[in-house]
Amino acid sequence: GAVVSQHPSRVICKSGTSVKIECRSLDFQATTMFWYRQFPKQSLMLMATSNEGSKATYEQGVEKDKFLINHASLTLSTLTVTSAHPEDSSFYICSASTSGYEQYFGPGTRLTVT
Amino acid sequence: AQKITQTQPGMFVQEKEAVTLDCTYDTSDPSYGLFWYKQPSSGEMIFLIYQGSYDQQNATEGRYSLNFQKARKSANLVISASQLGDSAMYFCAMREGGGGFKTIFGAGTRLFVKA
Repeated sequence: GAVVSQHPSRVICKSGTSVKIECRSLDFQATTMFWYRQFPKQSLMLMATSNEGSKATYEQGVEKDKFLINHASLTLSTLTVTSAHPEDSSFYICSASTSGYEQYFGPGTRLTVT
Repeated sequence: AQKITQTQPGMFVQEKEAVTLDCTYDTSDPSYGLFWYKQPSSGEMIFLIYQGSYDQQNATEGRYSLNFQKARKSANLVISASQLGDSAMYFCAMREGGGGFKTIFGAGTRLFVKA
């Protein structure tokens, strides 16, 4: 089956620093990747949609300069949280999609900003 | 605008019994897909079942079935013969149109299976 990996699974960083999260589709080429964040006991909130080779489309209220998304290839998308603050602490999940309806989720990255 | 509503924040079910998790949706797009995902405490999103808007029959996957009532815009998940391992958060989700379109999620229902 289709597998999506995320790295790292957990990261702790200091306030003001930047952190990069990688999302890879391991056995298929993803035309589209999605980035979600999930606060404790809440649902997944879509942050942005990225297509390979083009700029990401951000959802309303998501700061594109703070959450930098790069979809460099059909198997890799990265999310960089710049100048992280404690309120950015969350669970970040990526998913990858081909041309159909299904999307395949990564295992998530838990970010803690101290 | 598309919208997914799950009105049950928490549900209890006795082991080996069936349980129905409710989901209603709203969309103006005639073409859409409906999904159910399970999220255990580990955080991973596990795909359970999919129903396309043009599918004539209700989807089934093992112990999971989707009760699709298009006119009512509901897509309830039925889990038969509940197991202790079914205890988790369950999300209903919808995706409009074809590939590349975003998926939105409901608020989720936490299911507790009692021994």
